[in-house]
Amino acid sequence: ELKVEQNPLFLSMQEGKNYTIYCNYSTTSDRLYWYRQDPGKSLESLFVLLSNGAVKQEGRLMASLDTKARLSTLHITAAVHDLSATYFCAVDARMNYGGATNKLIFGTGTLLAVQP
Amino acid sequence: DGGITQSPKYLFRKEGQNVTLSCEQNLNHDAMYWYRQDPGQGLRLIYYSQIVNDFQKGDIAEGYSVSREKKESFPLTVTSAQKNPTAFYLCASSRRQGVVDTQYFGPGTRLTVL
Repeated sequence: ELKVEQNPLFLSMQEGKNYTIYCNYSTTSDRLYWYRQDPGKSLESLFVLLSNGAVKQEGRLMASLDTKARLSTLHITAAVHDLSATYFCAVDARMNYGGATNKLIFGTGTLLAVQP
Repeated sequence: DGGITQSPKYLFRKEGQNVTLSCEQNLNHDAMYWYRQDPGQGLRLIYYSQIVNDFQKGDIAEGYSVSREKKESFPLTVTSAQKNPTAFYLCASSRRQGVVDTQYFGPGTRLTVL
């Protein structure tokens, strides 16, 4: 069974600081997604990582994927209050369950609170 | 504007009642999904459908039912057999884009059992 673990579960950080959220998964997968969720809202797609060594950046967020280590990271640079949200990683499980559609297994999320 | 709509936004159910949550998309996506989110937790897959008139159970299908009679619509029924239905329900859709199948999410329905 594919399991996805994120840490930390809660992160309180000051504006201007850097930090990294980690996403570990238990079995082989060839693609990983990062989503953002604001309180009471839906999920917004941030990044799609498709290969080992993939790195994508958007503003103050940078995501990377190491398929050999089964690890993805979401790095936050010089945090600002607007980045406060819950961040989820999700791993495509099709290699474990078969089928053509992308069955995603989500991590439990990291609640990020950026303090002024 | 293309997107995914869910209705209602809030839904209250008495014990023993069946309720149906609506999900509509005008993105021309082939695949649609239903997830459940409990407080402080990630999303868990209830049902998914790759094409019209076909759907598969996800990880927590017991107490739920779906239909896919039209490409645009994928309603979810929460039956009285679902013992703990209070949760936030999210619908998603995806279209194969090369090798990228990003799922796009609707705004969600918050279901509360009274």
